[in-house]
Amino acid sequence: DVKVTQSSRYLVKRTGEKVFLECVQDMDHENMFWYRQDPGLGLRLIYFSYDVKMKEKGDIPEGYSVSREKKERFSLILESASTNQTSMYLCASSLFGQATYEQYFGPGTRLTVT
Amino acid sequence: AQSVAQPEDQVNVAEGNPLTVKCTYSVSGNPYLFWYVQYPNRGLQFLLKYITGDNLVKGSYGFEAEFNKSQTSFHLKKPSALVSDSALYFCAVLSGAGSYQLTFGKGTKLSVIP
Repeated sequence: DVKVTQSSRYLVKRTGEKVFLECVQDMDHENMFWYRQDPGLGLRLIYFSYDVKMKEKGDIPEGYSVSREKKERFSLILESASTNQTSMYLCASSLFGQATYEQYFGPGTRLTVT
Repeated sequence: AQSVAQPEDQVNVAEGNPLTVKCTYSVSGNPYLFWYVQYPNRGLQFLLKYITGDNLVKGSYGFEAEFNKSQTSFHLKKPSALVSDSALYFCAVLSGAGSYQLTFGKGTKLSVIP
């Protein structure tokens, strides 16, 4: 079974803090994704990566950055947290080059910025 | 741009009755369609997908989905609902040819009433 883990289930940070959300997958997947989930808005893609040190912006990258130094790890960084970044953050991974496409999700991190 | 719509925010069904969660899509080219389920405080779990082939796709937990090209729909179905099926359901579409990104609908909350 694919396992995607996220460093924290719940996180509370103050406005202006730098926040790191970590995601690790154990199935050697090339693709990794960061989403945020908000009620009534579904999932929105923040950033994704097809390979180590590679990143591409998703639909809502403003206020976020990412890092992928190793294949299994994809980090989401909030440079200066703001209250409008309070949300559920979901990490996912999938295979590259296979006609499968389904993504496997971690349990999520519920971030509250006060 | 590829998109999916879930016209119902909430669906209520009695235990033992058949359930349907609706999804319509808008794509250029062949649609690659997915259903995911999210239980409370959990990440998303893959249920099933349509890539090509038979219009009736069977997935996990007794769910199935019917691809209808003329109606541009991909409705999720189950013959007999269980209380444990109560969850949030997301329809998704591959974001474009050669893409590994998914575009998600806003989600439908399914409540199965005992």
